[in-house]
Amino acid sequence: GAVVSQHPSRVICKSGTSVKIECRSLDFQATTMFWYRQFPKKSLMLMATSNEGSKATYEQGVEKDKFLINHASLTLSTLTVTSAHPEDSSFYICSARTSGGPYNEQFFGPGTRLTVL
Amino acid sequence: QQQVKQSPQSLIVQKGGISIINCAYENTAFDYFPWYQQFPGKGPALLIAIRPDVSEKKEGRFTISFNKSAKQFSLHIMDSQPGDSATYFCAARLPGSARQLTFGSGTQLTVLP
Repeated sequence: GAVVSQHPSRVICKSGTSVKIECRSLDFQATTMFWYRQFPKKSLMLMATSNEGSKATYEQGVEKDKFLINHASLTLSTLTVTSAHPEDSSFYICSARTSGGPYNEQFFGPGTRLTVL
Repeated sequence: QQQVKQSPQSLIVQKGGISIINCAYENTAFDYFPWYQQFPGKGPALLIAIRPDVSEKKEGRFTISFNKSAKQFSLHIMDSQPGDSATYFCAARLPGSARQLTFGSGTQLTVLP
């Protein structure tokens, strides 16, 4: 399957700082990328859908000014957690969807563990 | 109507046994049903997927059974191995440009050696 990478794999930051997480599709172009948040032993919660060259679409309850998403190219999307607080600590996972055909597969990155002190 | 209900929450199986995880959905417009496997600290990996026009799909030890009339689908893992111990998520997706996945709540599978 297609490969999606995330960087960093884990980050620890102080409360009030901003953290940027990168998501890259390594061997395919992704017109659409998704950002999820996952709490321990819970399912994935979709935060936003990111389309290359346009503004992200955020799910209800997700603060767009806090979670800034930039999908600058067909292989890169970034999530910036601004003014992070301890409650933002979570596992953030991106995914990228291949283009072409009616049943486009969606591949997930390895996730980024964010810990806000 | 967007929900996908998954059961059981956790499952313990002996090595060599069959693991069965079930999912049910309400929205008949869903047209794609993937299963993902997730190990601790890792992202989900696509395991196997099925479309509603097929009743069964098999890939190695993994089989999806799909019952369109009952709006249910299940994952069967034959000859379960300790390495299969992971969390499994079913999902469903609507057709169209949005194509967001709706995930089940997950099943933590433990295969005992």
